[in-house]
Amino acid sequence: GENVEQHPSTLSVQEGDSAVIKCTYSDSASNYFPWYKQELGKRPQLIIDIRSNVGEKKDQRIAVTLNKTAKHFSLHITETQPEDSAVYFCAAGNYGQNFVFGPGTRLSVLP
Amino acid sequence: SQTIHQWPATLVQPVGSPLSLECTVEGTSNPNLYWYRQAAGRGLQLLFYSVGIGQISSEVPQNLSASRPQDRQFILSSKKLLLSDSGFYLCAWSDRDYGYTFGSGTRLTVV
Repeated sequence: GENVEQHPSTLSVQEGDSAVIKCTYSDSASNYFPWYKQELGKRPQLIIDIRSNVGEKKDQRIAVTLNKTAKHFSLHITETQPEDSAVYFCAAGNYGQNFVFGPGTRLSVLP
Repeated sequence: SQTIHQWPATLVQPVGSPLSLECTVEGTSNPNLYWYRQAAGRGLQLLFYSVGIGQISSEVPQNLSASRPQDRQFILSSKKLLLSDSGFYLCAWSDRDYGYTFGSGTRLTVV
């Protein structure tokens, strides 16, 4: 089955700097890679996703890149703000089926 | 539009008491439904998933059970709670057109 690793487990950046979180997956059949943001005490919410036929996707300050050959994908947040502080989860799987989540990255944006 | 309802938001139960958490989805038909548990500061642990009425798959052996009596209703139950059952329980749904959407969660404390 699918296995997803995520690094780093914690990340602290200064406000305005960029943050990068990396995930690797094991199942080459996975074709959908979402990222979720979970603020303290709240539900995880989808912030961006990418499908296997796309190498990069951007939405304002957030971008995701996918390297299918190497089986890794990354979340990039530019111009970080304090409200970006949260736990971020990557996931891999097939659309409409079960996803496997990474263990999460706790991002702290320091003012 | 699709919405997911989960209740109650918080619950304090004594050890050995029963448990029933309910989740309903609106605006979609035949969704995949999931129950996740999240221990404090930890990742997302898949407990059960269902692809249709009466079809339940268990990912983790435990004293919890799940049922899907209707297409858009998913119930998590226990006959006797353990201290280790404490956590943040999240219901989620997905279908062919949408990735995971999580409910607002139930914070369960077993005392």
